[in-house]
Amino acid sequence: SYVLTQPPSVSVAPGKTARITCGGNNIGSKSVHWYQQKPGQAPVLVIYYDSDRPSGIPERFSGSNSGNTATLTISRVEAGDEADYYCQVWDSSSDNVVFGGGTKLTVL
Amino acid sequence: QLQLQESGPGLVKPSETLSLTCTVSGGSISSSSYYWGWIRQPPGKGLEWIGSIYYSGSTYYNPSLKSRVTISVDTSKNQFSLKLSSVTAADTAVYYCARHMGKVTESWFDPWGQGTLVTVSS
Repeated sequence: SYVLTQPPSVSVAPGKTARITCGGNNIGSKSVHWYQQKPGQAPVLVIYYDSDRPSGIPERFSGSNSGNTATLTISRVEAGDEADYYCQVWDSSSDNVVFGGGTKLTVL
Repeated sequence: QLQLQESGPGLVKPSETLSLTCTVSGGSISSSSYYWGWIRQPPGKGLEWIGSIYYSGSTYYNPSLKSRVTISVDTSKNQFSLKLSSVTAADTAVYYCARHMGKVTESWFDPWGQGTLVTVSS
């Protein structure tokens, strides 16, 4: 089955740039989507189709996808960005939705 | 604005069947553009997709859960439902329903319901 690998944690100072990676075999050939989940809340879509932002998501959130790694980039990080972030793809070989294990973003 | 709300028992006994319903408001579940999905999250752990259904009844299930899962839709009530049989403590989780958007092979979930905690315990 297809596996998505995320770092368990990423730390960044306010105002700096955070990069959260999502690794998978030839993930560049798939559409990657990203979710933000704050404690006690449901996940919220922040990036779809690798790099598109839903309405209401700040331009500080961006995404890229190439080769074996997709990346969620958060610029000018704020305290309110502290959350768990999950990547997600559709695995056509097994007709299965796959989520990464999640990355906890800590704002120092 | 589309909203989804999960409902159902918060406590289920081992070996029994977990049953949840998701009520969709602010839009029609019969829209030809979307599937409707269930995702769960064990306490302190990550997200796991359970399955999704189209208004016509066409379904996709997580292969690891397929033998125990049934998802159905009631367009007259704008609802879709989840049944998970033979539950164990490992099925204890927050269960979310969500709109499943885009072409299936490129799809994502937006928006999500608030989630409901289901505990499996005797």
